[in-house]
Parts: sequence; structure tokens; C-alpha cells
Amino acid sequence: QKEVEQDPGPLSVPEGAIVSLNCTYSNSAFQYFMWYRQYSRKGPELLMYTYSSGNKEDGRFTAQVDKSSKYISLFIRDSQPSDSATYLCAMSGPTSGTYKYIFGTGTRLKVLA
Amino acid sequence: DGGITQSPKYLFRKEGQNVTLSCEQNLNHDAMYWYRQDPGQGLRLIYYSQIVNDFQKGDIAEGYSVSREKKESFPLTVTSAQKNPTAFYLCASSNRGSEQYFGPGTRLTVT
Repeated sequence: QKEVEQDPGPLSVPEGAIVSLNCTYSNSAFQYFMWYRQYSRKGPELLMYTYSSGNKEDGRFTAQVDKSSKYISLFIRDSQPSDSATYLCAMSGPTSGTYKYIFGTGTRLKVLA
Repeated sequence: DGGITQSPKYLFRKEGQNVTLSCEQNLNHDAMYWYRQDPGQGLRLIYYSQIVNDFQKGDIAEGYSVSREKKESFPLTVTSAQKNPTAFYLCASSNRGSEQYFGPGTRLTVT
């Protein structure tokens, strides 16, 4: 079983829709949870990060972490064509004296005008 | 502006040549990382360094080497021993366990 599972998509939605992106994970030691947006041929851009469980909102983006279910989500409200990109989830936690980062393989999102 | 710079953006090399990719950060982060990204495979960790003059192998270190002589800099050398070097290389940095920031990447093509 992979440590992080993320649906690769592609996910196509009309402009203005609410988008829900999700990841599940298996390692209960993960403490930090991150979402990145990556445009084609660019480096990933950090969108949101949260520590432990709960919700965090930033403009049109909301990140949710449910540690009991080992499930994280990113919601995008009022989606725009400029949101079309690949979204990566990531998490980190202590492992053998260091911090390990694990990334999902990414979900491709297309927002249609 | 704080951030991570990688150079060059595109790099072309002949098979059998070593090549060094540059990564510099001014975020005052202790830890730096190198990843390789191939289509459909996600990010794979090559090397990481948590402190100056120390670094550890990641999941796919064979054919690569690094150095960490300064806190700000973490260059990656792709050696001729790396069997499939053509890829998109990403450098990242963080403080211990917290959010990780990425550079813009270097696309290496070896023919």
C-alpha cells in the first residue's frame, strides 16, 4: 500500500464550480499537511499548509485535515480557468530522527471557461 | 524577495558527461532537498541535507552526488553513472518538518 493515495484525474469542471481534491494516507505520524499547485513545466507552489487536524481557509481555498480518518481535502470555491493545474498533496512527520516528506502523485484539474 | 533559485532553467548534455545543477535559497532554511519528477511518477527524493556539511541519500541517489558547504547552497551533480538522467529536477527547502518550498526547476535533457 502506498503511503499517500491521490486520484490522478483529470478532473474537468465548469468555471465557478466548487472543486474538491482529496488524499488518503496511512502513516499516523504525519503532522504537517500541505497542498501545492503546479503548472506545466514549473515548480510546485505552496498553496496551503496545516499542522495537525482542522480547517484552514485562505481566500477561495480551504484545506481540511481529518487525522482520525487519515484523509485530507482541498476545496476551491468559484473555480477559475487559471486554477487549471496539477495539485499535489504532501505530508511530513518524524521518522528515525529526521522529518520525512511524502507527496501524492497529483490530480490534474481543468476548469472550463 | 525570499525564495529558491535554480539554474539553469534548461540544460542539454551529451551522454557520458557530468553536469551540475545549481540551487540557492535565501529563506534561512536549515534543510534542503533534491527531487526528480518524471511524468506519471510524482516526486522522488534524490538527496537531502538537514545541516551544513551533512547530507543523506534519498530513495534514488545512485548516479547523483551533492555537497552542502554553505547554508544557502545545495548543488546537485548528475554523473555519467545515472542511467536515465533526462528529467525535471526540483530543489526544495524547509525548516525542520514544516512546510517545504520549491524552486522553479531545471529541465535536463541528455542525448
